[in-house]
Amino acid sequence: KAGVTQTPRYLIKTRGQQVTLSCSPISGHRSVSWYQQTPGQGLQFLFEYFSETQRNKGNFPGRFSGRQFSNSRSEMNVSTLELGDSALYLCASSLGTYLNYGYTFGSGTRLTVV
Amino acid sequence: ELKVEQNPLFLSMQEGKNYTIYCNYSTTSDRLYWYRQDPGKSLESLFVLLSNGAVKQEGRLMASLDTKARLSTLHITAAVHDLSATYFCAVDMRSGSGTYKYIFGTGTRLKVLA
Repeated sequence: KAGVTQTPRYLIKTRGQQVTLSCSPISGHRSVSWYQQTPGQGLQFLFEYFSETQRNKGNFPGRFSGRQFSNSRSEMNVSTLELGDSALYLCASSLGTYLNYGYTFGSGTRLTVV
Repeated sequence: ELKVEQNPLFLSMQEGKNYTIYCNYSTTSDRLYWYRQDPGKSLESLFVLLSNGAVKQEGRLMASLDTKARLSTLHITAAVHDLSATYFCAVDMRSGSGTYKYIFGTGTRLKVLA
């Protein structure tokens, strides 16, 4: 059974640019959550999508946005990149109901903003 | 505010020794998860604890959950170098609308010395 696939694995962008990251969940999983991980702030929740709707949102500025498609694949977009956006971005897939038993994480996208 | 705190944040221990990592959380939840992360890698699910008094064991790791104390422990028995990693606990927090968020602890960076 295929796992959670994130692309690309690595990205280098310039400050002020925008970037789109992609996440394909496990087949049958309808929930995709995104996390930002940095050495200083740890793992921080960005947002969760379930059946194409944003269901939960963390405390990030509006420059961070996302969407989910009908096949449950999700994209995350960051506009007007700042140096502080350099991080490992992880997506996690789950069934999305309270019967769900934990998340399965992708390998992550390492974003470097220069 | 929903908080999940782990201690210690850093742990350096000798091979063959035992130690316990603690995870405290600030609100009612009956589910707790433990993950392992190797440097530069994604999160790997270790344990899912679904009820008060739950105990799970895998190799040299044993996790337990006390929902009344809002405490989970991850006990390491006779540590080996391969256990060196960062360990995260995470808690399902159900919101008033019936949705839930997944809140991660601060992480415990474990280094096992030969």
